[in-house]
Parts: sequence; structure tokens; C-alpha cells
Amino acid sequence: KNEVEQSPQNLTAQEGEFITINCSYSVGISALHWLQQHPGGGIVSLFMLSSGKKKHGRLIATINIQEKHSSLHITASHPRDSAVYICANAGGTSYGKLTFGQGTILTVHP
Amino acid sequence: NAGVTQTPKFRVLKTGQSMTLLCAQDMNHEYMYWYRQDPGMGLRLIHYSVGEGTTAKGEVPDGYNVSRLKKQNFLLGLESAAPSQTSVYFCASSYLGGGKTQYFGPGTRLLVL
Repeated sequence: KNEVEQSPQNLTAQEGEFITINCSYSVGISALHWLQQHPGGGIVSLFMLSSGKKKHGRLIATINIQEKHSSLHITASHPRDSAVYICANAGGTSYGKLTFGQGTILTVHP
Repeated sequence: NAGVTQTPKFRVLKTGQSMTLLCAQDMNHEYMYWYRQDPGMGLRLIHYSVGEGTTAKGEVPDGYNVSRLKKQNFLLGLESAAPSQTSVYFCASSYLGGGKTQYFGPGTRLLVL
């Protein structure tokens, strides 16, 4: 069974802090997705990776295939980063059927 | 280029009523998905489609039907709504399946009384 676990469930930070959100999955992947859900409810894809590391602005995503673990890092956090961050595993299928983690609620205070 | 749109944004139903949620995408994507999001459960896949005229069951398909008569549209139907179907429904689409970015619609909030 494809299971995805995220930690922590809730994270509070001060502006400028370095943030790490972790994701562990049980089934080998075709791709691991990181998504952001804003307080208004909209969901945006941040990263999709199957190996190594990707960077976009202040966001960095890494994945360790052997350990079935991925991390999302935010450098120099800002209040506008406050959102729910969700990882999802497409498993080994080619259909993109995602299994989602519970999400991490991030609050960044000024 | 509107991306992925969903209609309606919000709906209240009484138990036993039926309704159809519409998802439309203008990116010529082959794959489309319907998810529901519930507190404490995260997002779960209801049904998906890998192309026009095809549909398949996801993780929680019971009580829902879908159709993909046109490539750009993916309809989710509730034949006899139940309070357990109170949820936020998201549609998504991608150019191909696994390994491709999924683009999400804004969501439909459904309340079944």
C-alpha cells in the first residue's frame, strides 16, 4: 500500500528562519510531488522530482530514493510562505495517481 | 488561458439530491483527476481519466460517477448525495501521467445536509 507520512504536522517560525518539512513514503516512486495550498484553498505544484535536488527561488526540494525520503526547505522564510505544504507520491504507475501526505501547516510570524 | 476551472464554486445539497461538478481545462491535457479533501484525511483520488472516453476508479470511488466525453471536460456526478460526501472537491489535469506536473482547479465546496 502506498503510504505517505509528513512531519511536522504544524510548524511555526519567525521571519528569516530556515525551514525543513519532511516526507517519507512506502512505495517506490515515479515522481514525488511537493504542493502548496494557500489559506484561500488554491493548490499549486511547487516541485516534482524523482532524484537529486531541485531549487526554485528560496525553495529547495531533495529526495533520497534509497531511504524513501524527501525534504522541502525554505530559506529566509517570510510571512507570505505561510501555507499548507503537501507531499504526494505518484507511486510506480504511469497514471499519475497521487497518494498524499496529511500536509504541514506552516505559519511564519514577522 | 484559464488553466483548470471548476463549476460551481459552492453548493448546498439535501440528502438524496443529485448534482454534477464540471471541470474544464484549456491546456490540451490528456490526464484528468478528481480528488476530495477532508479535514484530517488529506487529499484522496476519486476517479481519473487518461484520455477522452476513458475513466478509471481511484481510492474512494463509491457514490460517484464520472464521464469524459470531451478531452477538455471531466464531469463528476453524485447520483444520491449523502452527508459523508460533504467535502472540498478538486480537479486536476496533466499533460501525461506519472512524472508530470498536475495543475489544480480552485475547488468546489459541497455541503450535504
